[in-house]
Amino acid sequence: KAGVTQTPRYLIKTRGQQVTLSCSPISGHRSVSWYQQTPGQGLQFLFEYFSETQRNKGNFPGRFSGRQFSNSRSEMNVSTLELGDSALYLCASSWPLAGEQFFGPGTRLTVL
Amino acid sequence: DQQVKQNSPSLSVQEGRISILNCDYTNSMFDYFLWYKKYPAEGPTFLISISSIKDKNEDGRFTVFLNKSAKHLSLHIVPSQPGDSAVYFCAASPVTGANSKLTFGKGITLSVRP
Repeated sequence: KAGVTQTPRYLIKTRGQQVTLSCSPISGHRSVSWYQQTPGQGLQFLFEYFSETQRNKGNFPGRFSGRQFSNSRSEMNVSTLELGDSALYLCASSWPLAGEQFFGPGTRLTVL
Repeated sequence: DQQVKQNSPSLSVQEGRISILNCDYTNSMFDYFLWYKKYPAEGPTFLISISSIKDKNEDGRFTVFLNKSAKHLSLHIVPSQPGDSAVYFCAASPVTGANSKLTFGKGITLSVRP
């Protein structure tokens, strides 16, 4: 079974731009969660989607948004990028409400 | 406000010895705790979990202990191997058995010396 895939793996943007990251969950998994990892804050929960609906949301500004498609693939979008948005963005998939989360390798976003 | 704290950023242990990684939490609503391991350039991988109704869970070389009254848990690795060198994250969820909205600590970098 293929694991969680994230594209692109690396991205460089400038302040003020917007970015879209993609995540394909493990086949059959319907829950997708997004996390931001920075050296100072560790992993922080962004949001979780299940059946195309946002089920949980972390404490991030509205510039961070996401969506999930009918095939469970998910995208997250960050608008008006700031330098502090530079981070590793991780996606994880799981069966809803049970079992471990399986993480993808992440997308390394650098904002200049 | 850090609800899951891993106060020691790093730990170095001799191969064959025990590694003890500690984690404290402040939110009494947390009911389910997990440990993840992360190698560079890879996503975290699940190691072991424990529900708040238990005080110990063992899986091979890995054992997690939970002291609910102290809001403290620890991961024991015995014996430690060089391949265990990685960053270890403690995580917590308010729902037993669920992985929704995990709150992670900042991680501990474990180095196992040959």
